[in-house]
Amino acid sequence: GAVVSQHPSRVICKSGTSVKIECRSLDFQATTMFWYRQFPKQSLMLMATSNEGSKATYEQGVEKDKFLINHASLTLSTLTVTSAHPEDSSFYICSARYSTRSSYEQYFGPGTRLTVT
Amino acid sequence: DQQVKQNSPSLSVQEGRISILNCDYTNSMFDYFLWYKKYPAEGPTFLISISSIKDKNEDGRFTVFLNKSAKHLSLHIVPSQPGDSAVYFCAATSFGNEKLTFGTGTRLTIIP
Repeated sequence: GAVVSQHPSRVICKSGTSVKIECRSLDFQATTMFWYRQFPKQSLMLMATSNEGSKATYEQGVEKDKFLINHASLTLSTLTVTSAHPEDSSFYICSARYSTRSSYEQYFGPGTRLTVT
Repeated sequence: DQQVKQNSPSLSVQEGRISILNCDYTNSMFDYFLWYKKYPAEGPTFLISISSIKDKNEDGRFTVFLNKSAKHLSLHIVPSQPGDSAVYFCAATSFGNEKLTFGTGTRLTIIP
């Protein structure tokens, strides 16, 4: 159990275009999903917390108009990188928490490698 | 301000021996700690966790120790296996807080 998928696993796009990344909890309901970014050889940086049916909460320094997050259902959250630029190239990872558990474990997707040319 | 620190960026251990990964934290509000394992180009996988009401939690080959007074936790893997080669992240949170604060990770290499 506790499987989280992400799609696509890898995407290359041109500067100025937008890219959408999907995060799905496959076998459980997740009221809360999280979006992280990881630079090479660095830690996971939390970008935003996404709750089903409400607006995402962004971490300080993360542009909410650039990184649009939609948590439309208990099993799906999307991250759209708008007007992508080369500096947005990174590894993006989502995670999800069980809605019915009180524990703090987050279950992570496999990540999406974004390259902006 | 790095509230969770893993001071060893890398560690090499002989197969069959014990691997000890360390983590220090500065925020005294943290009361729940987790360890994750991550392979390249994959998402982290949850390994084991511990609440501040305990000082030890064991699951198979993995044991986590918590020293609250020193604000230090460690992950012991014994015996170490080649498949354990990965980057290990410790993470911390506090009661009622959904967010996890991650350390910078330690790359563990198991030498056959």
